[in-house]
Amino acid sequence: ETGVTQSPTHLIKTRGQQVTLRCSSQSGHNTVSWYQQALGQGPQFIFQYYREEENGRGNFPPRFSGLQFPNYSSELNVNALELDDSALYLCASSTGTGGRDTQYFGPGTRLTVL
Amino acid sequence: GQQVMQIPQYQHVQEGEDFTTYCNSSTTLSNIQWYKQRPGGHPVFLIQLVKSGEVKKQKRLTFQFGEAKKNSSLHITATQTTDVGTYFCAGGSGANNLFFGTGTRLTVIP
Repeated sequence: ETGVTQSPTHLIKTRGQQVTLRCSSQSGHNTVSWYQQALGQGPQFIFQYYREEENGRGNFPPRFSGLQFPNYSSELNVNALELDDSALYLCASSTGTGGRDTQYFGPGTRLTVL
Repeated sequence: GQQVMQIPQYQHVQEGEDFTTYCNSSTTLSNIQWYKQRPGGHPVFLIQLVKSGEVKKQKRLTFQFGEAKKNSSLHITATQTTDVGTYFCAGGSGANNLFFGTGTRLTVIP
């Protein structure tokens, strides 16, 4: 196992609501990236946090936002939920911010939007 | 934008047969990583290739990075039921994120 934990495991929300997902990094990792994985698809990069600052963002609207805390744990917030937001949300910690750094994934949070 | 495609999307093999998945990028990559995701699980890192033409082996798995650094392949020799899962390639472009491919779902029939 990677040592990356996520909570909650599953979540059901209704359209228009807001959700917060949480991630604890592997010990010694200072970078957290969030991915959205729709059913049958590959993970899509949402954004990355390094030293509590956003350090890169994929093609996701501003209603997807995040935080990183001094202990390197992180949150993903999604406002005004839409049906298409239903997916597995994965966080991954790493020791660096580059594309060559191995991503250590957590088990994910399965979000269902009704 | 950058796209990473994989073929085939699905592959069913008899246990003991070989399996290959191919990964193609629309742009030149700085590196490529491969991940395996078991059903109901999360992606797990397998290997990283950085050099043009690089070949790496892990037991029955052989990974290749193309000369132009725009394609890669994963070959499994003599598949076993434990090989079941979805295999993703993920390309790095020098920026701070990876572009994951569409994945190949492998089913191994005992």
